[in-house]
Amino acid sequence: GAGVSQSPSNKVTEKGKDVELRCDPISGHTALYWYRQSLGQGLEFLIYFQGNSAPDKSGLPSDRFSAERTGGSVSTLTIQRTQQEDSAVYLCASSPTGKGYTFGSGTRLTVV
Amino acid sequence: DQQVKQNSPSLSVQEGRISILNCDYTNSMFDYFLWYKKYPAEGPTFLISISSIKDKNEDGRFTVFLNKSAKHLSLHIVPSQPGDSAVYFCAASTGTASKLTFGTGTRLQVTL
Repeated sequence: GAGVSQSPSNKVTEKGKDVELRCDPISGHTALYWYRQSLGQGLEFLIYFQGNSAPDKSGLPSDRFSAERTGGSVSTLTIQRTQQEDSAVYLCASSPTGKGYTFGSGTRLTVV
Repeated sequence: DQQVKQNSPSLSVQEGRISILNCDYTNSMFDYFLWYKKYPAEGPTFLISISSIKDKNEDGRFTVFLNKSAKHLSLHIVPSQPGDSAVYFCAASTGTASKLTFGTGTRLQVTL
């Protein structure tokens, strides 16, 4: 597609449930990033994929968070045993070169 | 540890006047700086960037100034327009690393 596509746009889940958030990057973009924005906060880096290299997972807040990127394209961010502090907007971005991100519209996750 | 800081959470400017958004950083290794603009329910969009080898970069109504000794950058918008009303994020990166560190954002309101 023309832009970065994220689904779902909104997700409400019960505390303790697992959730999967999907990102379809721009075709041909080798770099893919996940960020999240909690209420009143800036964008917090979570994880970065670049081509076939090992991902940079240094931003993942706990081992409940994991992400995959299959075939160098679509990425899934999984949060296990969700907690209320996981409520945030999760943003995906892709880039052809590693700079000049294009962001998706995000997934608003609410844990109740 | 907030490495990129935007100390003004909000700013209100009259249409036609200059908007000045400020950003401070603490990591002296940052050498590439960007500004993003975000409307509600949309992902951030790239606005303008500057490399540390420059102290000014201009693109139409938008100019970014970098003061490396003060570890400070600013975004000037002139003349301000109502459509500029959005949240503006400052971001920085190091060398060839593409992971961006974002500030907490400044909400700009341009009034008629």
